[in-house]
Amino acid sequence: DQQVKQNSPSLSVQEGRISILNCDYTNSMFDYFLWYKKYPAEGPTFLISISSIKDKNEDGRFTVFLNKSAKHLSLHIVPSQPGDSAVYFCAATAIQGAQKLVFGQGTRLTINP
Amino acid sequence: DAGITQSPRHKVTETGTPVTLRCHQTENHRYMYWYRQDPGHGLRLIHYSYGVKDTDKGEVSDGYSVSRSKTEDFLLTLESATSSQTSVYFCAINGADYNEQFFGPGTRLTVL
Repeated sequence: DQQVKQNSPSLSVQEGRISILNCDYTNSMFDYFLWYKKYPAEGPTFLISISSIKDKNEDGRFTVFLNKSAKHLSLHIVPSQPGDSAVYFCAATAIQGAQKLVFGQGTRLTINP
Repeated sequence: DAGITQSPRHKVTETGTPVTLRCHQTENHRYMYWYRQDPGHGLRLIHYSYGVKDTDKGEVSDGYSVSRSKTEDFLLTLESATSSQTSVYFCAINGADYNEQFFGPGTRLTVL
């Protein structure tokens, strides 16, 4: 049973436009959500996170939106740059306890010049 | 960068042989984690540690054991490697504000 799902395996966006990556979750116990970026042959790099007490968090070009009622979160990248081409993973956890992350399958983002 | 190193970075082994992967941190963090990454599955938690000699199972712990005798080192052992354990293994530690995890560079393991 996949508790965190990223239903788009890949996404292609033109440079300068907005990239929107989506993630759905099923477990109501999750109250903290994270996005990671991964280049080939490297470990995942933390991008941005959001607590369930918020519905939006911004960090530069990256914004994460959380819709708790729909159990849905999205990552917006504006403007998209060629260096953003990577695999993006969303992850969820419960703050209380051991912070065990549950990951989605990942979305491969390609930024076209 | 979080001070996490993994060794070896690449390993090829044969079915039935024991394999140990090492994760080393310089941050003195209490929590350490082992994940594996496979196509179509994202990353999945194998085992984690919440202190020296304190470990617990994750989602996909069958066939794996761990040990943590020092704060800085977390070892993952495959007692008898199988082809299904061919994967990329990542170690992680919690960040300063505790909720984020930071990952090592990974170990690519191939079991023939």
